[in-house]
Amino acid sequence: EAGVAQSPRYKIIEKRQSVAFWCNPISGHATLYWYQQILGQGPKLLIQFQNNGVVDDSQLPKDRFSAERLKGVDSTLKIQPAKLEDSAVYLCASSAGLAGGAETQYFGPGTRLLVL
Amino acid sequence: AQSVAQPEDQVNVAEGNPLTVKCTYSVSGNPYLFWYVQYPNRGLQFLLKYITGDNLVKGSYGFEAEFNKSQTSFHLKKPSALVSDSALYFCAVRGLSGGSYIPTFGRGTSLIVHP
Repeated sequence: EAGVAQSPRYKIIEKRQSVAFWCNPISGHATLYWYQQILGQGPKLLIQFQNNGVVDDSQLPKDRFSAERLKGVDSTLKIQPAKLEDSAVYLCASSAGLAGGAETQYFGPGTRLLVL
Repeated sequence: AQSVAQPEDQVNVAEGNPLTVKCTYSVSGNPYLFWYVQYPNRGLQFLLKYITGDNLVKGSYGFEAEFNKSQTSFHLKKPSALVSDSALYFCAVRGLSGGSYIPTFGRGTSLIVHP
């Protein structure tokens, strides 16, 4: 079974530029998560989708970050415009069920973003 | 609001010795607790989880964790550490918030196993 795919793996941009990340979850997984992991910290949930609906986006900086999951499969996360403090690893994860508490998440390799 | 604390940034242990990585949590209602491991330049991998029932949970690679409701802890343990266990370990909790189960991760503990 193929795992969670993310692209690109690395991205370097200048501040105020825009950037987009792509995630393809494990086939058939209903729930998709985007996390931000700043160096030395644990992953912070940005947004959680159940199929193509948003379950939680309370920690998503909506003035600059946006995410969508059209057709309930793959997803994109966009930052526009980027700030220096957005430098982090962006992790995508998926789980099989409908956002239940016992769901195991399966993580992709992450996209490492450096904002200069 | 729910939270997870991993009080140790780093744990050092000699190969062959037992290891413990600590985790405490705060959540409303019954917790769902997880341990994930992150190897360099790789994504997080699931190790084990507590849902309900037996307080001692066994997982991958010989790891186990003990759920203690009174101490709100979920410490990760292994009887005999291997050098290959050296990695970053994250504890996570999922609690009910606004009708959905939202995951919260700790800041991670770096485990270093010395030969």
